Amino acid sequence: ELKVEQNPLFLSMQEGKNYTIYCNYSTTSDRLYWYRQDPGKSLESLFVLLSNGAVKQEGRLMASLDTKARLSTLHITAAVHDLSATYFCAVYRLVNYGGSQGNLIFGKGTKLSVKP
Amino acid sequence: DTGVSQNPRHKITKRGQNVTFRCDPISEHNRLYWYRQTLGQGPEFLTYFQNEAQLEKSRLLSDRFSAERPKGSFSTLEIQRTEQGDSAMYLCASSLGVGSYSSGNTIYFGEGSWLTVV
Repeated sequence: ELKVEQNPLFLSMQEGKNYTIYCNYSTTSDRLYWYRQDPGKSLESLFVLLSNGAVKQEGRLMASLDTKARLSTLHITAAVHDLSATYFCAVYRLVNYGGSQGNLIFGKGTKLSVKP
Repeated sequence: DTGVSQNPRHKITKRGQNVTFRCDPISEHNRLYWYRQTLGQGPEFLTYFQNEAQLEKSRLLSDRFSAERPKGSFSTLEIQRTEQGDSAMYLCASSLGVGSYSSGNTIYFGEGSWLTVV
C-alpha cells in the first residue's frame, strides 16, 4: 500500500526566511504533484513532477523529485505572508500497468504560517 | 470559468437521509475522480472514472456510496442513509488522460461540496 508522509505538519516561518517541506513515499512512483489549499477552499495545482531529478520553480517555490530516494521537496525562498496555506504532496499510484490509469494518494499536508 | 464545477457547495442533512452531489468536469476531460477530505487531513481517494467506466473504487466507498458518470461527462456521488461520520468535504477532480504515462497531465480539483450530517 502506498503511503505518503509529509514533514513537518506545521511550520511557522518569519517573512524573508527559507525553509523546505519534505514528502516521502513508500512505493515506486515517478510522478508527484504539489497542491496548495487555502482555508475552506479547494486545491490549487502548483507543480507536476514527472521524472527523477525533475525540478520546477514558480516564484518563491521550487519543487524537486528524487525517485530513487522516494523523496520530493518543496523549497520556500524568502517567505512572504501570502504563502500562508496548507501544502499537500500527492503521489500518483498507477493501477493499470502498461497504461496510465491511476489516482493520487495524498500526504496529510503541511500547514504553513508566515509571520511578519 | 471553465474549471471543475460542483453542486451543491454546502449541504446539511439529517442522519439517515440520502444526499447527492454533482460534478461537472472540465470539458473534454475523460478522467474524473472523487475524493473526501475531513478537517486537518489530506484528501482520500474514493473512486475514479475513465469516460463512463468506473475503473476503481476505494475500500472507503461503502455500500451506501454510489457514483455514476452516465455519459462520460458529469458525475454524481450519492450517499444513502447518511451517518455523522460522512460529514466531510467531497472533492471532484478531472484530468485529460491521453494514454501515455509520461504525459503527466495536471489533475484539477473543484471547489468541493461540504456535507454536514446532524
